[in-house]
Amino acid sequence: GENVEQHPSTLSVQEGDSAVIKCTYSDSASNYFPWYKQELGKGPQLIIDIRSNVGEKKDQRIAVTLNKTAKHFSLHITETQPEDSAVYFCAASTGTNAGKSTFGDGTTLTVKP
Amino acid sequence: DVKVTQSSRYLVKRTGEKVFLECVQDMDHENMFWYRQDPGLGLRLIYFSYDVKMKEKGDIPEGYSVSREKKERFSLILESASTNQTSMYLCASTKLGSVLAGYNEQFFGPGTRLTVL
Repeated sequence: GENVEQHPSTLSVQEGDSAVIKCTYSDSASNYFPWYKQELGKGPQLIIDIRSNVGEKKDQRIAVTLNKTAKHFSLHITETQPEDSAVYFCAASTGTNAGKSTFGDGTTLTVKP
Repeated sequence: DVKVTQSSRYLVKRTGEKVFLECVQDMDHENMFWYRQDPGLGLRLIYFSYDVKMKEKGDIPEGYSVSREKKERFSLILESASTNQTSMYLCASTKLGSVLAGYNEQFFGPGTRLTVL
């Protein structure tokens, strides 16, 4: 089955700096790569996603890049703000099997004011 | 807005009790999932369902069962709770049409923090 590895497990940055979280996947059939943000006391929520036919996608301060050859994808957050502090999960999916996704172990991001 | 609700935010049970965790979604999603979340272990899939009365085991089904009698409701059952089932339980749903289109965003509930004493 699919295996997703996520690094780092914790990340601390100063407000205004950039943050990068990296994930690798094992199944070359995976074609959908979402990123979820989980704030304290809440369930994860999708913040950005990318499909395998695209190399990069950007939404304001958030961007995701995908390297299919190397089987890795990354989340980039620029100009970080304290409200970006949360747990971030990457995931990979083949688009079959009821939409089942395999998640990384999560990254706890702390943005210090 | 899609809404996924879970019956309890916090639950305390004793070892050996039968525990029911309920999840309801209001957007007519075909697929529903139960995960447990533990520090450093991410989200691990327990069971999922792609239709009423249909279920499939996820990665860690031992000690759990599920029920999907209605499309909007997916229940997780701990037949005999044990202390190692103390965890955060998250329910999620996704729409079949989105899956077929290649975008299977999962919508999560707020979670139930279960403590087994």
